[in-house]
Amino acid sequence: AQSVTQLGSHVSVSEGALVLLRCNYSSSVPPYLFWYVQYPNQGLQLLLKYTSAATLVKGINGFEAEFKKSETSFHLTKPSAHMSDAAEYFCAVSAGGSQGNLIFGKGTKLSVKP
Amino acid sequence: KAGVTQTPRYLIKTRGQQVTLSCSPISGHRSVSWYQQTPGQGLQFLFEYFSETQRNKGNFPGRFSGRQFSNSRSEMNVSTLELGDSALYLCASNVWAGANVLTFGAGSRLTVL
Repeated sequence: AQSVTQLGSHVSVSEGALVLLRCNYSSSVPPYLFWYVQYPNQGLQLLLKYTSAATLVKGINGFEAEFKKSETSFHLTKPSAHMSDAAEYFCAVSAGGSQGNLIFGKGTKLSVKP
Repeated sequence: KAGVTQTPRYLIKTRGQQVTLSCSPISGHRSVSWYQQTPGQGLQFLFEYFSETQRNKGNFPGRFSGRQFSNSRSEMNVSTLELGDSALYLCASNVWAGANVLTFGAGSRLTVL
């Protein structure tokens, strides 16, 4: 069965600092992996996805993630945080055989200090 | 291109009542999925519909049901509401081809008193 673990429910960084949000997955099949962002009172917006092509995936707003099979990780990074990056971030894995059934991590709330 | 539209955005119900939430997918998207989001349980998959047929169902009681119409619009219904049903209900649509991604609506926030 597939599962996702996000390490750290809250992460705080200073503006301009590196953002690193951690995600580890468990999957019995080659996974499709996703990062979504949620701003207050809004739905989820896709940041990036991994679908077995390049292991380094670039997304929107300067975010990227690297798929590491040996570590079963898919950490999200951004070189320089901006105040507008403050939001909640969710890592997700496709449940296999179904594009509509994603298994989400518990989320990491990112705070950006001026 | 319009996004995924969910109505109503906010609603308040009392225990024992029932509620129906609506979702209009992106034009051309034929698959609709529903998720429940709560502070305690996070995001949990409810069900997925494609071509008016339920393709997958999450681990929720039978009080939670849904359907999809021929124009791909979907509704979900919760009967005999409980306090624990208070949540943000998110709908997402998908083209259903290849390694697609879900496009989410803004959600319907249900409060059960």
